[in-house]
Amino acid sequence: GNSVTQMEGPVTLSEEAFLTINCTYTATGYPSLFWYVQYPGEGLQLLLKATKADDKGSNKGFEATYRKETTSFHLEKGSVQVSDSAVYFCALSVSQGGSEKLVFGKGTKLTVNP
Amino acid sequence: ETGVTQTPRHLVMGMTNKKSLKCEQHLGHNAMYWYKQSAKKPLELMFVYSLEERVENNSVPSRFSPECPNSSHLFLHLHTLQPEDSALYLCASSQEQNTYEQYFGPGTRLTVT
Repeated sequence: GNSVTQMEGPVTLSEEAFLTINCTYTATGYPSLFWYVQYPGEGLQLLLKATKADDKGSNKGFEATYRKETTSFHLEKGSVQVSDSAVYFCALSVSQGGSEKLVFGKGTKLTVNP
Repeated sequence: ETGVTQTPRHLVMGMTNKKSLKCEQHLGHNAMYWYKQSAKKPLELMFVYSLEERVENNSVPSRFSPECPNSSHLFLHLHTLQPEDSALYLCASSQEQNTYEQYFGPGTRLTVT
């Protein structure tokens, strides 16, 4: 089946630290991969995406590279800010029964302290 | 109002109550979704509407009843819920069905007592 596994949180970092949130996936076919972010009190927002192997998605200083050989899509940021505190969701999209479906991981809560 | 709005933001209800959650999107989208977000679990897709027609029902119990009167509004009618139904219910919309770029509302935090 299709599933996403991401590292358990919570993750607590100091401002300007390096961030990695691991994400691996299992999928039939060729999925597209995404990171969504949920800031406190808000809905999920698409942060970045990659639609094929070796693509790198990037936005707001965050990056993730689609690694087909390791079935991974790890999220990284070189220097986090307090405003990056949120829950991050890894997700994949696969065609199933003629429609695209989003499959989410459980989410990883990030807290950045000043 | 912009984006996707949901009301109420918080709801406490007893197991014998009937209540409704409301979602409204101001983005001109054609597809709308209900998700359930529980602690320590992945988001669960509940229902999908495209052009006001329900196109997906992911084995959701009948105590949850969706309604989509037009492409801008989506309701989730609740009755005789169980405590395990307590969760954050998220509404989302997209330009078309079959797209990953979904825009989410802030959710309704539901507590069933």
